Amino acid sequence: GENVEQHPSTLSVQEGDSAVIKCTYSDSASNYFPWYKQELGKGPQLIIDIRSNVGEKKDQRIAVTLNKTAKHFSLHITETQPEDSAVYFCAASFAGGGADGLTFGKGTHLIIQP
Amino acid sequence: DTAVSQTPKYLVTQMGNDKSIKCEQNLGHDTMYWYKQDSKKFLKIMFSYNNKELIINETVPNRFSPKSPDKAHLNLHINSLELGDSAVYFCASSQGLAEQFFGPGTRLTVL
Repeated sequence: GENVEQHPSTLSVQEGDSAVIKCTYSDSASNYFPWYKQELGKGPQLIIDIRSNVGEKKDQRIAVTLNKTAKHFSLHITETQPEDSAVYFCAASFAGGGADGLTFGKGTHLIIQP
Repeated sequence: DTAVSQTPKYLVTQMGNDKSIKCEQNLGHDTMYWYKQDSKKFLKIMFSYNNKELIINETVPNRFSPKSPDKAHLNLHINSLELGDSAVYFCASSQGLAEQFFGPGTRLTVL
């Protein structure tokens, strides 16, 4: 089955700086790669996703890049703000047309220092 | 206008008991899921279900069983609860392979 590795487990950055979280996946058949943000006591919430036919996607301060050959994808957050502090999860899935669940990385605790 | 709701939010019970967690989505999605998040925040798929098939993660004990009375509900039944079942359980839904919307979670504590 799919295996997703995520690094770092904890990331502390100064407010206004950029943060980068990296993930690798093992199954070359995976073709959907979402990123979720989880705040304390809440369920994960999708912040951005990318499919395997695209190399990069951007939404305001958030961007995701995908390298299919190397089987890795990254989340980039620019101009970080205190409200960006949370746990971030990458995930991978194969869109086979059936009921496919997501395989998650182990999460990155992002801390924005004021 | 909650998209995915779960009840209860907290569940404290004794070992050996049988319990259920309910999940409802009002998004009209065709696929629903159950995930388990352990004490280290690791999220793992347990089940995914649409009106065509149930996919079970092979690592899930058969004490866990999903039941779907209709397209908008996927409840989780757990028999003979064990200490290791303590975790946060999340329900999610999606329309095909699109964004999965997660519920707020149910924190299960087995004593």
